[in-house]
Amino acid sequence: DTAVSQTPKYLVTQMGNDKSIKCEQNLGHDTMYWYKQDSKKFLKIMFSYNNKELIINETVPNRFSPKSPDKAHLNLHINSLELGDSAVYFCASRSVGAQYFGPGTRLLVL
Amino acid sequence: SQQGEEDPQALSIQEGENATMNCSYKTSINNLQWYRQNSGRGLVHLILIRSNEREKHSGRLRVTLDTSKKSSSLLITASRAADTASYFCATDGETSGSRLTFGEGTQLTVNP
Repeated sequence: DTAVSQTPKYLVTQMGNDKSIKCEQNLGHDTMYWYKQDSKKFLKIMFSYNNKELIINETVPNRFSPKSPDKAHLNLHINSLELGDSAVYFCASRSVGAQYFGPGTRLLVL
Repeated sequence: SQQGEEDPQALSIQEGENATMNCSYKTSINNLQWYRQNSGRGLVHLILIRSNEREKHSGRLRVTLDTSKKSSSLLITASRAADTASYFCATDGETSGSRLTFGEGTQLTVNP
């Protein structure tokens, strides 16, 4: 009965590969987010969707493409992975005010 | 530039002591929120304080907000080893839509 879940939890891959991270929330929230947390724990928003529509698109390389098939799911596809993409990626959904975070996907690009 | 700055960056205390963390921000806000992140885990929402509120309590947590100084503090009373975590403030700005802007976090270590 996990509220916000992400798969995979760990992802180790080579530079140049394409990978996807999936996120699902069972809270009935309309708004979902992707965040990137770097090695210094700085958390930065990447994208936000509201009811399957993109509402926030920060300055993120276009190698990153979010997709929301329905309001309970927000996936992140990354093309041509680079070393600098190594980070922890968090999905979150939003109630009134508070955000609920998934456990994170630890991406390591070699 | 980043909205929030937290102080101190790291705090180490003994069990039973109180821990105070501060957060400053730059723009007008609708609300300010505090989150906890245990090592290797996602962030957990602790408390939300609206811009028209000055103080809020939740269990051992006490949050204050001073909009004139654009600052907030989180007090954890009677700390426990299980409180060891990183604590982040996040602001929901008046013009930021539904996004939160996070501070840099305070790493709290509570020694048993």
